[in-house]
Amino acid sequence: QVQLRESGPGLVKPSETLSLTCTVSGGSVISGSYYWNWIRQSPGEGLVWIGYVYYSGSTTYNPSLKSRVTISLDTSMNQFSLKLTSATDADTAVYFCVRSYSLGHFDYWGQGALVTVS
Amino acid sequence: QSVLTQPPSASGTPGQRVTISCSGSGSNIGNSYVYWYQQLPGTAPKLLIYRNDQRPSGVPDRFSGSKSGTSASLAISGLRSEDEADYHCASWEHSLSAVVFGGGTKLTVL
Repeated sequence: QVQLRESGPGLVKPSETLSLTCTVSGGSVISGSYYWNWIRQSPGEGLVWIGYVYYSGSTTYNPSLKSRVTISLDTSMNQFSLKLTSATDADTAVYFCVRSYSLGHFDYWGQGALVTVS
Repeated sequence: QSVLTQPPSASGTPGQRVTISCSGSGSNIGNSYVYWYQQLPGTAPKLLIYRNDQRPSGVPDRFSGSKSGTSASLAISGLRSEDEADYHCASWEHSLSAVVFGGGTKLTVL
């Protein structure tokens, strides 16, 4: 059974970089042709897809966040990470790391990590 | 404002059938698969329907999905109290090369 778990600071100052790591267990980030995604949900709002890193290391980002986002793989630790620069209060949200079988097909989710920018 | 449009709320009584709509355009739903997610309070979303109308194993057949043109629907029959949750639709937006979601529909079981 694949499991994902987010970790990182729960509080980030405005203008600083928001950084989160997702640890994957029960499967390898470089096998199976999967996409490894980050999705966020602001309080009381809907879901917003941030982007993915493919098992090969290639990436695709949401155009609305592209200038500030980096998603990368750490194959030695079986992890992938999110960096969002120049954080503002609009980036306050629960951040989910998610595996997808294909674009939009999100089959395994982490429990979510609340990050507050203040 | 979300690319996909869902009603903000829906409701029904136990045993009823309810449907939730998801409206898009030719650059997303019209040319891509639709996915549905159920989010119980305080938890991560869970895949409910994939590729328009397919159910993952373990999802009851009370849940069904359909797609016609640039719109999709999620139907829940035999409504139960445990179905009270937020429901989100998703699709691929070709003009943005991005996954897009609806704003979510909060389902209340009266």
